[in-house]
Amino acid sequence: IQLTQSPSFLSASVGDRVTITCRASQGISSYLAWYQQKPGKAPKLLIYAASTLQSGVPSRFSGSGSGTEFTLTISSLQPEDFATYYCQQLNSYPKVTFGPGTKVDIK
Amino acid sequence: QVQLVESGGGVVQPGGSLRLSCAASGFTFSSYGMHWVRQAPGKGLEWVAFIRYDGSNKYYADSVKGRFTISRDNSKNTLYLQMNSLRAEDTAVYYCAKDHGIAARRNYYYYMDVWGKGTTVTVSS
Repeated sequence: IQLTQSPSFLSASVGDRVTITCRASQGISSYLAWYQQKPGKAPKLLIYAASTLQSGVPSRFSGSGSGTEFTLTISSLQPEDFATYYCQQLNSYPKVTFGPGTKVDIK
Repeated sequence: QVQLVESGGGVVQPGGSLRLSCAASGFTFSSYGMHWVRQAPGKGLEWVAFIRYDGSNKYYADSVKGRFTISRDNSKNTLYLQMNSLRAEDTAVYYCAKDHGIAARRNYYYYMDVWGKGTTVTVSS
């Protein structure tokens, strides 16, 4: 199962609403997770089961979608949110795959 | 607190071997499956291998099958990755990650909820 993410890169300002899309090459139900990675750091789980927020993750992050199209939304971008975001499909668990990533940079 | 600490990375020549370790603490290691995930310099995340909580089943990415072996010692709370016949394209930061599953909406969902900081493997002559 292949995942694509769009855009690959986006430039945004603090306070902006940001939406990242992840598309799967075949239906994966809701078996999708989102991770945030900052430079030199390990990935951090944000959302699992497509829309369930991981404990401790700010509520400005939300996920939606099922089947082949998914979105990660940051309702009001904060300085600490500038990072790269990866989707991950777990439909073929445990042989999972990640999307290519979306880098969110400061405008 | 829940923690994973990788070690064993380094510089190795093509064709060489290396064994990575991942020490777990703060949770019941023997109850959870574990993954290895890698990230080549400037690239995205690539899943490498998975082992079930009791070591009964192991799964590998096609890119490492036959060269890498995942194992665990639950008495030592430690995960391993034995890497043989290393290639330049295996150069990456290697992360171990804890697997977690949860029942929700009449399904069972998995994800990687805890990650180590990673250990760097460089394959170069």
